[in-house]
Amino acid sequence: EPEVTQTPSHQVTQMGQEVILRCVPISNHLYFYWYRQILGQKVEFLVSFYNNEISEKSEIFDDQFSVERPDGSNFTLKIRSTKLEDSAMYFCASRETSGGFYEQYFGPGTRLTVT
Amino acid sequence: AQSVTQLDSHVSVSEGTPVLLRCNYSSSYSPSLFWYVQHPNKGLQLLLKYTSAATLVKGINGFEAEFKKSETSFHLTKPSAHMSDAAEYFCVVRDYNQGGKLIFGQGTELSVKP
Repeated sequence: EPEVTQTPSHQVTQMGQEVILRCVPISNHLYFYWYRQILGQKVEFLVSFYNNEISEKSEIFDDQFSVERPDGSNFTLKIRSTKLEDSAMYFCASRETSGGFYEQYFGPGTRLTVT
Repeated sequence: AQSVTQLDSHVSVSEGTPVLLRCNYSSSYSPSLFWYVQHPNKGLQLLLKYTSAATLVKGINGFEAEFKKSETSFHLTKPSAHMSDAAEYFCVVRDYNQGGKLIFGQGTELSVKP
């Protein structure tokens, strides 16, 4: 069964460093998402991406964040200058079409630890 | 705006007894509702979804949920808990704006005692 994959599974970085989290969505999916889950809190939406552009972003998704689909298979989340409060589990998700009730399929997550 | 509220942060049951995880929703439209499960150190797995086809929705691993519009509820149930059901459960509503993001509840941690 096709699945969303994410790398790395765990990333440790120092405050102020740039990190890139990578995701490979399911191949025929058209919508892509990033969510994050700070330890002990609920899962929060960050950004959605469709047709090579951001379709919606949350207020969390400020200028420090960017997303890209560089090669038609990968979907990346970049944090330019990490802060301690960026420590969280980051989930990538994808879904099939622009309409209907197609569910989002989630990757296993990348745990980001900022020290 | 749409939202979901999970009424219990933690539920503890004994193996073999029924499970009830409660969720209320708020939506201006007919909602698309989901339950996701997250096992320790794992990703999010879809348990079931409600998309207005039937009010009683069956999911994987023996779970089911009933959509009750009059009560704005979408509670998750299972007749008999198994040890492997111990996990975090999230009630989720799909946002109808733009990209269809998912809005998560706070989560309910289910513990299963032997």
